[in-house]
Amino acid sequence: DIQMTQSPSPLSASVGDRVTIACRASQGINSYLAWFQQKPGKAPKSLIYGASSLQSGVPSRFSGSGSGTDFTLTINSLQPEDAATYYCQQYDSFPFTFGPGTKVDLK
Amino acid sequence: QVQLQQSGPGLVKPSQTLSLTCDISGDSVSSVSFSWNWVRQSPSRGLEWLGRTWHNSRWFTDYAESLKTRLSIKSDIAKNQFSLQLDSVSPEDTAIYYCARARVVGATRSKFYFHMDVWGKGTTVTVSS
Repeated sequence: DIQMTQSPSPLSASVGDRVTIACRASQGINSYLAWFQQKPGKAPKSLIYGASSLQSGVPSRFSGSGSGTDFTLTINSLQPEDAATYYCQQYDSFPFTFGPGTKVDLK
Repeated sequence: QVQLQQSGPGLVKPSQTLSLTCDISGDSVSSVSFSWNWVRQSPSRGLEWLGRTWHNSRWFTDYAESLKTRLSIKSDIAKNQFSLQLDSVSPEDTAIYYCARARVVGATRSKFYFHMDVWGKGTTVTVSS
């Protein structure tokens, strides 16, 4: 199975900060990488797919980059509603696997 | 706009079968553009993809290897729904179970790539006597 790791966790930032979350795959996954946001008691919400394509309806302050094994999710100008846990997920090979999550809270 | 409505029991006894259903509105379970997935989440295992079903001239089903002997995912075109059955459950199967739609976001000559873009609200399932 492809192992996904994330850093940092947790992450504490202030409103207006630029936040970067890293995700690494244990083997190359091309650009078949997605990012999800999850708030307590809710289902994961799609943010990014294809490593850098923004899901429809997601604010443009969210962006993704990377390919191969190393990927990044960036939140420009963090907003209060962005406090959540963020997960990366590979869909290159079975079984599709998720990272352990990065919890982002506000200072 | 597609919506997924989950149903099923919240409590299952050890060794019994867990059965969950996901009703689809705003889309078709037989659409070639989508696959229909089950994912679970627990504190010990995190988010875990379980399996999927999808239709492209015939039905395809893929399972996580670790659950292959116990898991069955089926679709019902008449009811426009898909379902999960997990046999011989144990307390380790206690989790929140989600159904999710995945749409085609890439393809090669031999493979389609799907991204899970719409999720159900989740069903909390506890395995306990």
